Amino acid sequence: DIQMTQSPSTLSVSVGDRVTITCQASQDIGNYLNWYQQKQGKAPKLLIYDASHLERGVPSRFSGSGSGTDFSFTISDLQPEDIGTYYCQQYDNVPMCTFGQGTTLE
Amino acid sequence: QVQLQESGPGLLKPAQTLSLTCSVSGGSVNSGNYYWAWIRQVPGKGLEWIGYIFHSGSAYYNPSLQSRASLSVDTSKNQLSLKLRSVTVADTAVYYCARDKGQLLFDYWGQGTLVTVSS
Repeated sequence: DIQMTQSPSTLSVSVGDRVTITCQASQDIGNYLNWYQQKQGKAPKLLIYDASHLERGVPSRFSGSGSGTDFSFTISDLQPEDIGTYYCQQYDNVPMCTFGQGTTLE
Repeated sequence: QVQLQESGPGLLKPAQTLSLTCSVSGGSVNSGNYYWAWIRQVPGKGLEWIGYIFHSGSAYYNPSLQSRASLSVDTSKNQLSLKLRSVTVADTAVYYCARDKGQLLFDYWGQGTLVTVSS
């Protein structure tokens, strides 16, 4: 199985911060990586697909980069509504996918 | 706007079979453009993909659950179903259904339903 390691697990943030989360794959996954946001008690929401492409309707303060084994996700100007948990997801070995353990912004 | 809604028993005893239904509105499970997935989340933990199914009935499963899970689709009711046999306390989780727009990219999700396994 491909393992995904996110860091940090938790991050203390303030409005206006530039926030970066990293996700490392246990093997080369190309750009087959997505990012989701999950707010408390809600289903996850797709933000970024194929490592760096912004899903339609998602604010431009969210961005992603990376390829191979190392990926990052950035919020350029943190807003109060961005509080939640963020997950990376690899899909290199379709039809199987795995998620990272999550990064909680608090 | 596509909407998904999970339903089913919220409490099971060990060894029973978990049975959930996902009703889809605003879109058709018969569309050849999408797969329909089930994903679960142990409370306070991460996400685990269970499997997905195409309108034809072709299904793919997480190897860790393949021996116990079964997915089906009812195009006449526009619904998906998940069965998970021989549940244990480790199967306690929030279960989500989601639309897969290709390559395991989940763009619409249900609100999730908590299933608790307890003796």
